[in-house]
Amino acid sequence: DADVTQTPRNRITKTGKRIMLECSQTKGHDRMYWYRQDPGLGLRLIYYSFDVKDINKGEISDGYSVSRQAQAKFSLSLESAIPNQTALYFCATSGGAEETQYFGPGTRLLVL
Amino acid sequence: TQLLKQSPQFLSIQEGENLTVYCNSSSVFSSLQWYRQEPGEGPVLLVTVVTGGEVKKLKRLTFQFGDARKDSSLHITAAQTGDTGLYLCAGVYTNAGKSTFGDGTTLTVKP
Repeated sequence: DADVTQTPRNRITKTGKRIMLECSQTKGHDRMYWYRQDPGLGLRLIYYSFDVKDINKGEISDGYSVSRQAQAKFSLSLESAIPNQTALYFCATSGGAEETQYFGPGTRLLVL
Repeated sequence: TQLLKQSPQFLSIQEGENLTVYCNSSSVFSSLQWYRQEPGEGPVLLVTVVTGGEVKKLKRLTFQFGDARKDSSLHITAAQTGDTGLYLCAGVYTNAGKSTFGDGTTLTVKP
């Protein structure tokens, strides 16, 4: 079984709709992250969390919110989706001395 | 503004050729990581370099961390079609607990 899972894997929604992307991990890591990936822009950090009570904004948090429901679960919400939020979204955890990041398989989101 | 700039952005070569990908920044990092991503999947760690001037080898891949810990390179010897993918470097800020990723290099190795 995968260490980091994301649901859904693909989502099509309309402008103005609220949607939630979910992430679960079995690695036992405290640190979790949400990134978006756009062609030519690599991965950009949206939010990150060091534990259930510690949530921090990343470089592109506007238009997004997160919830850390448990050590293993970190969800990302788009309160009112807009077309330029169309992207590939990745959840990741990190741990170990080298802070290796372990990524989920991604959620492909299309906002019409 | 991309803190980590990778070059080239796209690279298409024939099997058996050598190549080098660069990752440059004006920031100093605690360590630098290289990831490889295949279509439909998340990035997977290849290597972490920690010490300025460090060189690490992973079979046909050689990674180097600059003396000032601001830049890095990835050299692939005798590329194979299985090397095709998106290569991402990431600068790690250990104290902040987060990383910043480069804009990626898309490598295509043709048979």
